[in-house]
Amino acid sequence: AQKVTQVQTEISVVEKEDVTLDCVYETRDTTYYLFWYKQPPSGELVFLIRRNSFDEQNEISGRYSWNFQKSTSSFNFTITASQVVDSAVYFCALSVRSNFNKFYFGSGTKLNVKP
Amino acid sequence: GAVVSQHPSWVICKSGTSVKIECRSLDFQATTMFWYRQFPKQSLMLMATSNEGSKATYEQGVEKDKFLINHASLTLSTLTVTSAHPEDSSFYICSASRDTRLVGDTQYFGPGTRLTVL
Repeated sequence: AQKVTQVQTEISVVEKEDVTLDCVYETRDTTYYLFWYKQPPSGELVFLIRRNSFDEQNEISGRYSWNFQKSTSSFNFTITASQVVDSAVYFCALSVRSNFNKFYFGSGTKLNVKP
Repeated sequence: GAVVSQHPSWVICKSGTSVKIECRSLDFQATTMFWYRQFPKQSLMLMATSNEGSKATYEQGVEKDKFLINHASLTLSTLTVTSAHPEDSSFYICSASRDTRLVGDTQYFGPGTRLTVL
């Protein structure tokens, strides 16, 4: 069975602080993909990143960075120097080879960035 | 690229009426489209998976006769909520994937449709 856990329900930070959103996943598949999406108050989910299970290299995109560690089954997301526009709900998702492209979503983490 | 639209963005209807929601992939062909439902402050719940030209696959507990899904072309899928009741009020989101035979193919999401049934 597949499962994604985001233990942080809500996080509040002050602008310019760094913040890390945690994501832990469970799967027995050896081939899988992990995703992060942002859902701003408008409601539309915005794709942020996709990583496959064979590539543990961390990735940085501007103020965003992702730390993928298979040893701990985690795929954490860090925002550096947070901004008010980063305020949103962030979802981590898992898809596995054995269940073509079906997404297993975490419960989401609401990030509040205060000015 | 990879833009998905939904129409309408919001709809209010009377109990007992049917409502159709359209999901379109604007700049790519989507072999598969997914329909989700999201309750306030909750995660997305997958309702069904629809592949172009074939019947949709519904998740356990989702009434296929109530939520009719049609995926007539590679760029359009529709969800019809039949005989809607207040408990059907929710935020419905579609997503589109180019080819689910490609493991890990990204899903691109539409902006969602907020349905309110009076």
